[in-house]
Amino acid sequence: KQEVTQIPAALSVPEGENLVLNCSFTDSAIYNLQWFRQDPGKGLTSLLLIQSSQREQTSGRLNASLDKSSGRSTLYIAASQPGDSATYLCAGPPNTGNQFYFGTGTSLTVIP
Amino acid sequence: GAGVSQSPSNKVTEKGKDVELRCDPISGHTALYWYRQSLGQGLEFLIYFQGNSAPDKSGLPSDRFSAERTGGSVSTLTIQRTQQEDSAVYLCASSLLPGGLITDTQYFGPGTRLTVL
Repeated sequence: KQEVTQIPAALSVPEGENLVLNCSFTDSAIYNLQWFRQDPGKGLTSLLLIQSSQREQTSGRLNASLDKSSGRSTLYIAASQPGDSATYLCAGPPNTGNQFYFGTGTSLTVIP
Repeated sequence: GAGVSQSPSNKVTEKGKDVELRCDPISGHTALYWYRQSLGQGLEFLIYFQGNSAPDKSGLPSDRFSAERTGGSVSTLTIQRTQQEDSAVYLCASSLLPGGLITDTQYFGPGTRLTVL
């Protein structure tokens, strides 16, 4: 069964810092990779989707990369803001299926 | 436009009772997913629908769990004879195209918080 690890589990940084969140899959045969944020008591909001033919995606201050050979993805957040405080989740389906495997998330706190 | 909606937002039930959870996906989205998020746990895949059919039911934890989708739209997740370990937030997501082979972004609903006493 696919296992997804996110490191660190929790992160607290002062406002303005750049930071990197990591995601790794035990089975590198993933088809694509999606990053989400989840605010307390809320559903998930999609941030970025890296398609199978892509290596990275950018949206505003967010940049996500995917190395399919190693099954690793990173989410880079530039100039962090208190509003970025949330839990960040990565997820991806295998090449042969539609089930999305989720990591347990990184809880981010940006201190004003 | 309207996003994915789920009802009820909260459900408290007694052990042994049946519950039905509803998901209204974004109009036109062919793929629909159910997930479960237990306290302190990651999201657990339950079932995936492509149109009205469910090619992947591998995540349903037991035969007490069932789901259906009608008209390629609304889906209901039914849990029979609820147990305390069923307490969790049940999340629904939809996407315009099926994930995996033809990929697309998943849009999530706010979830239904189920508490089994």
